[in-house]
Amino acid sequence: DAKTTQPTSMDCAEGRAANLPCNHSTISGNEYVYWYRQIHSQGPQYIIHGLKNNETNEMASLIITEDRKSSTLILPHATLRDTAVYYCIVRVERNNDMRFGAGTRLTVKP
Amino acid sequence: KAGVTQTPRYLIKTRGQQVTLSCSPISGHRSVSWYQQTPGQGLQFLFEYFSETQRNKGNFPGRFSGRQFSNSRSEMNVSTLELGDSALYLCASSFVVVTDTQYFGPGTRLTVL
Repeated sequence: DAKTTQPTSMDCAEGRAANLPCNHSTISGNEYVYWYRQIHSQGPQYIIHGLKNNETNEMASLIITEDRKSSTLILPHATLRDTAVYYCIVRVERNNDMRFGAGTRLTVKP
Repeated sequence: KAGVTQTPRYLIKTRGQQVTLSCSPISGHRSVSWYQQTPGQGLQFLFEYFSETQRNKGNFPGRFSGRQFSNSRSEMNVSTLELGDSALYLCASSFVVVTDTQYFGPGTRLTVL
């Protein structure tokens, strides 16, 4: 699976959009981009995933660049409960060996 | 639908002992994967089971083993515990047939003294 690069930490004001970037310059054509988050010592929570089109669900939006070398997770109206470590992972479908990096620690401030 | 459940949630063992952790996947999910999370190494893949067969394995010693039952429930076993085995052990399940998205349980916190 391709390696991903994320900033170590980010801050966001409550109520504002949080934009979390991820670089995956070596991504292959059949690899999906997945986002999970982990709130202090709980199990990682699935957020969203995509292949090449932008995706949106009730939690977030995923914007993938046309060359697929990077993506951005957008939390449209961040709340204090969105404070967590966010992981960007690229993986091939049917390969459940997900490689988690260090992730981005997002702190939402009042 | 109930989520992934793991038992026990917390466990304290001493070096040399063995431990068995249990995972019940989301109803209908057929794949179960296990991960170890430590502060130093982060989240690392242990192994995956699908239809009672180990389908994929990470880079862990043979002291770490697992199995899956016909109802898709899974157990992992760690023998001859070492201090470094102290970690949060996470189980994730996926449906496989329609989607491969993995959903994680709350984890079992193992402390080895």
